[in-house]
Amino acid sequence: EAGVAQSPRYKIIEKRQSVAFWCNPISGHATLYWYQQILGQGPKLLIQFQNNGVVDDSQLPKDRFSAERLKGVDSTLKIQPAKLEDSAVYLCASSANSNSYEQYFGPGTRLTVT
Amino acid sequence: TQLLEQSPQFLSIQEGENLTVYCNSSSVFSSLQWYRQEPGEGPVLLVTVVTGGEVKKLKRLTFQFGDARKDSSLHITAAQPGDTGLYLCAGVTDYKLSFGAGTTVTVRA
Repeated sequence: EAGVAQSPRYKIIEKRQSVAFWCNPISGHATLYWYQQILGQGPKLLIQFQNNGVVDDSQLPKDRFSAERLKGVDSTLKIQPAKLEDSAVYLCASSANSNSYEQYFGPGTRLTVT
Repeated sequence: TQLLEQSPQFLSIQEGENLTVYCNSSSVFSSLQWYRQEPGEGPVLLVTVVTGGEVKKLKRLTFQFGDARKDSSLHITAAQPGDTGLYLCAGVTDYKLSFGAGTTVTVRA
């Protein structure tokens, strides 16, 4: 069974530029999560989707971050404009449904904002 | 601010030694999970503990959930270089995860 796929794996941009990350969850998984992991910290949930609907985006900085999961499968996370403090690893995870204990994480995208 | 405090932050030991890492919180969780994350990869779930006082063993790894469901520990017996990684605990509330900052474990051959 294929795991969670993410691209790109690395991205370097200048502040005020925009960037987008892509995630393809495990086939059949209804719930998709985006996490931000700053160096030296644990992952922090940004947004949770159930199929193509948003369940929780309370920690998403909505003035600059946006995410969508239009067809209930893959998802994109966008930052516009980026700030230096957005430098982090962005992890995508999926689970069978929103009541599942098991989340499966992708390898992440390492973003560096200069 | 991390809801869960992990200690120590870094741990370096020789192959064959034992180690324990701790995860503490002032909050009660319905369950607690431990993950291992290797460089350039996402966290991988090791175990979920659900009941206060529960002890789970996976080969050389022993996980314990505190009686009050606020804290947990991970003990590794006879550590091997393959145990090297970042160990993260995550408290579960309403199926949502709150992660600690992690303990970086290095096992020297």
